[in-house]
Amino acid sequence: GAGVSQSPRYKVAKRGQDVALRCDPISGHVSLFWYQQALGQGPEFLTYFQNEAQLDKSGLPSDRFFAERPEGSVSTLKIQRTQQEDSAVYLCASSLVVAGGNTGELFFGEGSRLTVL
Amino acid sequence: DAKTTQPTSMDCAEGRAANLPCNHSTISGNEYVYWYRQIHSQGPQYIIHGLKNNETNEMASLIITEDRKSSTLILPHATLRDTAVYYCIARPYGNNRLAFGKGNQVVVIP
Repeated sequence: GAGVSQSPRYKVAKRGQDVALRCDPISGHVSLFWYQQALGQGPEFLTYFQNEAQLDKSGLPSDRFFAERPEGSVSTLKIQRTQQEDSAVYLCASSLVVAGGNTGELFFGEGSRLTVL
Repeated sequence: DAKTTQPTSMDCAEGRAANLPCNHSTISGNEYVYWYRQIHSQGPQYIIHGLKNNETNEMASLIITEDRKSSTLILPHATLRDTAVYYCIARPYGNNRLAFGKGNQVVVIP
């Protein structure tokens, strides 16, 4: 596709359930980012991949959050034993250049809205 | 990363230039100023970035003061579709993350 695609767009989970959110970046984009956006707040950084390597996971809020990008393309964000505070929009972004080059804009998907009951 | 300060919200008149201010008084020499916007229910969209020179593209102009302590994003002819939250971000060179903050809710009024 032409842009970053995320699925599902909406997910309702019961507290304690595991969820998996998928991101299809723009073809050929090296860098991939996950952000979390709570209601009324700006996006908060979670983790960063360069190809298949997860180079920065310092923003993941707990060990219940896990992200992978095994073939350097599609990425999955997994949240285990969901809690109500995990309710947020999860945004994926990709970039053509290596992030350290600082010249590439990030292209964001529309996000996956997670509601934990 | 340097902290940026923006108005919480502002209104702009359709068809007029919209001037969006941002203060970044603690910005360091290797930090770029980035602007993104987020239209309701969409992901953020890149607008423009700069280091110390003024920049212009098809979407907007970025004016950075000589001391780099503040900047202004200019939307030359605001339209209703420009209603969005605008984020001013100071991003160090080589840093792989964007610190968005709460942004400035801009409403373009007919």
